Amino acid sequence: DQQVKQNSPSLSVQEGRISILNCDYTNSMFDYFLWYKKYPAEGPTFLISISSIKDKNEDGRFTVFLNKSAKHLSLHIVPSQPGDSAVYFCAAEEAGTALIFGKGTTLSVSS
Amino acid sequence: DSGVTQTPKHLITATGQRVTLRCSPRSGDLSVYWYQQSLDQGLQFLIQYYNGEERAKGNILERFSAQQFPDLHSELNLSSLELGDSALYFCASSVAAGAYEQYFGPGTRLTVT
Repeated sequence: DQQVKQNSPSLSVQEGRISILNCDYTNSMFDYFLWYKKYPAEGPTFLISISSIKDKNEDGRFTVFLNKSAKHLSLHIVPSQPGDSAVYFCAAEEAGTALIFGKGTTLSVSS
Repeated sequence: DSGVTQTPKHLITATGQRVTLRCSPRSGDLSVYWYQQSLDQGLQFLIQYYNGEERAKGNILERFSAQQFPDLHSELNLSSLELGDSALYFCASSVAAGAYEQYFGPGTRLTVT
């Protein structure tokens, strides 16, 4: 059973608009959440993270929101740029163990 | 560039064969993780080593094994290969055993024919 789910396989957004990528999880023991970006033929690149004791973390154009009661997190990219087009993976971690990844959402930003 | 290196980049081999994938972690990182990404699957955790010792095991098949050497590089050995083992294999490293942020290498694409 998947503990981390990204229910939207793809998302298309226009340049300059907001991209919202969603992620749901089932394990309430997860205490750290991360987003990775992946370009073709490259390894995943760490983007932004959030601890379970916070509900928001911001880094430039990227903001991650965590709703623990709903077991839901989202990544907001504002403004979206064509270079943001990639596969975005949500990942969760329990007490410093291995990362559990979702299957990814492919973001396409058109100019 | 994450600082994690993996060799080879591509590997094509036949069923029943054995291969070794190599990973060098970022300078200063003691922990190495191996992940498998098959078609239509997310990244699946295989195994973690910390400072030479196995620390955690995920969905790793008995045909697969790994080790971390004194210089901290790691090798993933895959034997009795099957068609279904064709996948991208990623190595990641982090500074400590419980570090949350892992940095990934570019991966090795394994094709079993």
